[in-house]
Amino acid sequence: AQSVTQLGSHVSVSEGALVLLRCNYSSSVPPYLFWYVQYPNQGLQLLLKYTSAATLVKGINGFEAEFKKSETSFHLTKPSAHMSDAAEYFCAVTFQGGSEKLVFGKGTKLTVNP
Amino acid sequence: GAVVSQHPSWVICKSGTSVKIECRSLDFQATTMFWYRQFPKQSLMLMATSNEGSKATYEQGVEKDKFLINHASLTLSTLTVTSAHPEDSSFYICSVSGGQLRGNEQFFGPGTRLTVL
Repeated sequence: AQSVTQLGSHVSVSEGALVLLRCNYSSSVPPYLFWYVQYPNQGLQLLLKYTSAATLVKGINGFEAEFKKSETSFHLTKPSAHMSDAAEYFCAVTFQGGSEKLVFGKGTKLTVNP
Repeated sequence: GAVVSQHPSWVICKSGTSVKIECRSLDFQATTMFWYRQFPKQSLMLMATSNEGSKATYEQGVEKDKFLINHASLTLSTLTVTSAHPEDSSFYICSVSGGQLRGNEQFFGPGTRLTVL
């Protein structure tokens, strides 16, 4: 069965600091992996996705993530945090050739301090 | 990606009444749509998978008679919360599946806040 673990329900960084949000997955078949962002009282917006092409994926708003099969990880990074990055971030997994359902992690709330 | 709208964006109703939430795919043929609910400070919980022209598939523990889903066209799915009670108060989000060609990416609506008094 597929699962996603997001380490750290809350992450706090200073403006301009590196953002690192951790995501580990479990899947017995090649996965598709996603990072979504949610602002208060809004739906989810796709930041980036991995679908078996390049392992380093660049997304919107300066975010990127690297798929590491050996570590079963898909951590999200941004070199320099902005105040506007404060939001809830969700990692999700599905797998190639299977159900279209996404399995979500529990989310990580990012706080950016001035 | 697909643009997905939901209506209403928020609704307040009395206990015992029914509420219908619409999810529209504005520029994408939505064969498969999903309905989620989200409690405060929690992740999304999948309620059901809605397939155009067929019955929805509900997740374990979700009452199909309470949460009626209709997906009559490629652009519209509706969720009706019947005989709503305060414990049904939640944030309901729909999504459209991009399918295998899009790597199973889902496009999300803005959500509907339901408050049952």
